[in-house]
Amino acid sequence: GQQVMQIPQYQHVQEGEDFTTYCNSSTTLSNIQWYKQRPGGHPVFLIQLVKSGEVKKQKRLTFQFGEAKKNSSLHITATQTTDVGTYFCAPRGSSNTGKLIFGQGTTLQVKP
Amino acid sequence: DAGVIQSPRHEVTEMGQEVTLRCKPISGHNSLFWYRQTMMRGLELLIYFNNNVPIDDSGMPEDRFSAKMPNASFSTLKIQPSEPRDSAVYFCASSFSGSRGSARYGYTFGSGTRLTVV
Repeated sequence: GQQVMQIPQYQHVQEGEDFTTYCNSSTTLSNIQWYKQRPGGHPVFLIQLVKSGEVKKQKRLTFQFGEAKKNSSLHITATQTTDVGTYFCAPRGSSNTGKLIFGQGTTLQVKP
Repeated sequence: DAGVIQSPRHEVTEMGQEVTLRCKPISGHNSLFWYRQTMMRGLELLIYFNNNVPIDDSGMPEDRFSAKMPNASFSTLKIQPSEPRDSAVYFCASSFSGSRGSARYGYTFGSGTRLTVV
């Protein structure tokens, strides 16, 4: 099955600092999605990356897909308290099945 | 659109009782997914349907769990009999998938059902 490692598991930052979470796969991926779950909430879709080396930005969030399509990252510039939550990567392997398997997630705490 | 609607939001039941969780996906979405979330195991995919047909139920823990999708606008996840270790948040999600079942868009999750079995 699809093996993916998401690091770090937890991250505490001071408001205004940057934050990055990484998602690493042992196999080549077809695409990867990122989700955010606020405390007590449900996962919310952020973005999908498909192309090798792809970079997409959403305001202070920057998403990257590795050249080999085996890893991805989410970078948040100048964190705010509203960024608190757990960020999940959800990679899809080359078998192109319909199901999405979520990584373990990175929980971000932001101190004001 | 009201999004994915799950009911109930909270369920507390005694061990051995039957529990039925309900989900109404977004109209037009042809794939539906049931996930379970716990601190220990994270987000686990239990089963998914494409065009109302169960495609992969390999994540269903055991025979006590069953899921149905009688039509495009309704699905149920049933646990019978329930056990304390079934306590978790159960999420339903829906998406639009291509002809081969590959999700081309993100999943939309419901607000979840928090199940407590005592």
